[in-house]
Amino acid sequence: GAGVSQSPSNKVTEKGKDVELRCDPISGHTALYWYRQSLGQGLEFLIYFQGNSAPDKSGLPSDRFSAERTGGSVSTLTIQRTQQEDSAVYLCASSPRGTNTEAFFGQGTRLTVV
Amino acid sequence: GNSVTQMEGPVTLSEEAFLTINCTYTATGYPSLFWYVQYPGEGLQLLLKATKADDKGSNKGFEATYRKETTSFHLEKGSVQVSDSAVYFCALIDASGGSYIPTFGRGTSLIVHP
Repeated sequence: GAGVSQSPSNKVTEKGKDVELRCDPISGHTALYWYRQSLGQGLEFLIYFQGNSAPDKSGLPSDRFSAERTGGSVSTLTIQRTQQEDSAVYLCASSPRGTNTEAFFGQGTRLTVV
Repeated sequence: GNSVTQMEGPVTLSEEAFLTINCTYTATGYPSLFWYVQYPGEGLQLLLKATKADDKGSNKGFEATYRKETTSFHLEKGSVQVSDSAVYFCALIDASGGSYIPTFGRGTSLIVHP
């Protein structure tokens, strides 16, 4: 596609429910990143996929968070048993080969846990 | 570890005023430096970058110079416009440890009044 696509753009869920957020990276980009953007907190790194290597999960805040990337393309971020503090904008980005070049961001998914 | 520190916002200016947004960094190795911009309702997009000391990145009238001696990458623009109102993020990639995960600052909101 023309850019990084994320869905849904907005998600409201009840506390305790599971949610899945989807990211379609730019075709051919082997690196994929998930970040969380909370008000006043900047961008918090969550997880990084690079090609077929094991993902870097060092930023995941708890075991309720997980992500997978199927076929080296689409990625899904899953949050189990959502809590109110999970409310944030979840951003996905991709880049070619995970080099020191720019990351291309999607518009994000705004998650609200009520 | 790596970190990026930006000046607190919001920065409020009148149209045609001079802009400086300060950014300093800490890195283990020799990072590449970036400025991203996030316009209201949109995802982050690359504004400019520099990959080695004394390089100057520039785009859309914005400039930033990679200062290794002061570990800084301050963003400047000589005459801001209302359309420059956005959130600006300073970021680095330090690949010395084999990771290409961008580290972001907290962002600085810029508000430009007519």
